[in-house]
Amino acid sequence: DAGITQSPRHKVTETGTPVTLRCHQTENHRYMYWYRQDPGHGLRLIHYSYGVKDTDKGEVSDGYSVSRSKTEDFLLTLESATSSQTSVYFCAISDRRSSTDTQYFGPGTRLTVL
Amino acid sequence: AQKVTQAQTEISVVEKEDVTLDCVYETRDTTYYLFWYKQPPSGELVFLIRRNSFDEQNEISGRYSWNFQKSTSSFNFTITASQVVDSAVYFCALSEIGNTDKLIFGTGTRLQVFP
Repeated sequence: DAGITQSPRHKVTETGTPVTLRCHQTENHRYMYWYRQDPGHGLRLIHYSYGVKDTDKGEVSDGYSVSRSKTEDFLLTLESATSSQTSVYFCAISDRRSSTDTQYFGPGTRLTVL
Repeated sequence: AQKVTQAQTEISVVEKEDVTLDCVYETRDTTYYLFWYKQPPSGELVFLIRRNSFDEQNEISGRYSWNFQKSTSSFNFTITASQVVDSAVYFCALSEIGNTDKLIFGTGTRLQVFP
């Protein structure tokens, strides 16, 4: 199994509060991703990173920001959480070499915004 | 635009039955990858297989097999002699080779295997 951890695994917060989710990897992979999973939508990409301090937006980036100051850590921040951001958040990693050009996922974080 | 359709929202079978999960995709890319992931009730996403568009050979891994047909833009997944442990949500996904940051998922098929 890929060495990916996410913290916290569960969080309940109130509308308007800031929230930061952390993804940590031990694989030294260059690429990291944040997805959200919602019923009827599958998984949708929020942001991704292709190196330290290098990030780009995904399909559903509004209301989210990310940071990557170290190879192993990729943070997802909700500056002011809203109920529409209640979801399960998954982090993924990839090293993008042709033989292993596959995204491997962390265990997920269930976020509830009241 | 790329799109993945998993028309079967939920499938229920009895143990030992064979079951096929359908995946139909749309892409203008000539080179692409197709993936299947499994999400068991515990919630994690488990990678099952990646196939590239160059290779239409079917693949078998134990009780699992995959049928890739470019002519019908399908990448179907069959579980032979299903078991209760196969109960999960299965996702099909698509990305362009060389641009695998853009991984497009289907909405998933929930498979329930009853004893």
